[in-house]
Amino acid sequence: DTGVSQDPRHKITKRGQNVTFRCDPISEHNRLYWYRQTLGQGPEFLTYFQNEAQLEKSRLLSDRFSAERPKGSFSTLEIQRTEQGDSAMYLCASSPFRQVYTEAFFGQGTRLTVV
Amino acid sequence: TQLLEQSPQFLSIQEGENLTVYCNSSSVFSSLQWYRQEPGEGPVLLVTVVTGGEVKKLKRLTFQFGDARKDSSLHITAAQPGDTGLYLCAGGRDGNKLVFGAGTILRVKS
Repeated sequence: DTGVSQDPRHKITKRGQNVTFRCDPISEHNRLYWYRQTLGQGPEFLTYFQNEAQLEKSRLLSDRFSAERPKGSFSTLEIQRTEQGDSAMYLCASSPFRQVYTEAFFGQGTRLTVV
Repeated sequence: TQLLEQSPQFLSIQEGENLTVYCNSSSVFSSLQWYRQEPGEGPVLLVTVVTGGEVKKLKRLTFQFGDARKDSSLHITAAQPGDTGLYLCAGGRDGNKLVFGAGTILRVKS
C-alpha cells in the first residue's frame, strides 16, 4: 500500500491526557498537511510542512498542539492536556510540491474521542 | 465563515436521478479539487481542475471549473446507491494549503 498511512485509527482518552498521532505520507511527497474535521463540517487546516520545515500554522492550533516532521518523512501531531472539544477526526494528507497547484491525498484519519 | 460555500448541504434522491452540486467563492483559486468521503474514512480525491472553464468527466461524474476560477460544479448522471457520501470541494492557491467547503451530503436511495 503506497497511500498515506495514519496511526492509530481510533483513540479514546481521558480529559487531561496527552495523545500523539503519527502520519506516514506517500514516499515521494515532500508536503504534509494536518487537518481536523468535526461532524457535519469540511476539514479545517491545522498546519503543513515542506520537507522538515513547518511553513504555516492555523490559529486553530493552540499552544496545546504541536506537530513535527523531524526528517522530512513521517510526522507526529501531539495534543497535550486534551479537552472534550478536541474530539474530532484528525486527517493527514501529503502532496508533491507544485508551484501552481496543490493536489493532496488523504489518509484514513485518526478518530479522537476525549471522555 | 466558509471561504467556499457548497450547496445544497444535503440531497436525498432516488436511484437513476441526476443531480448537481455547487461550490462557490468570492475568491479566485489556482486549482479546485473535489473529494468524496465515506463515514469514518478520509476524503478520496476525485478530480483536480486548474484552468478556467475546464470540464472533466469521470464516468458518470462531470466536473466544471468556472471561467473566473471562483466556482465549480459537480454533476452526477443516473445516480447509484454507491454514489452516497459526503462531497467536498477544496480550493488551493499557488501550491499552498487547501481550504474546504462544508460539504454536500448525498444519499441515493434504491
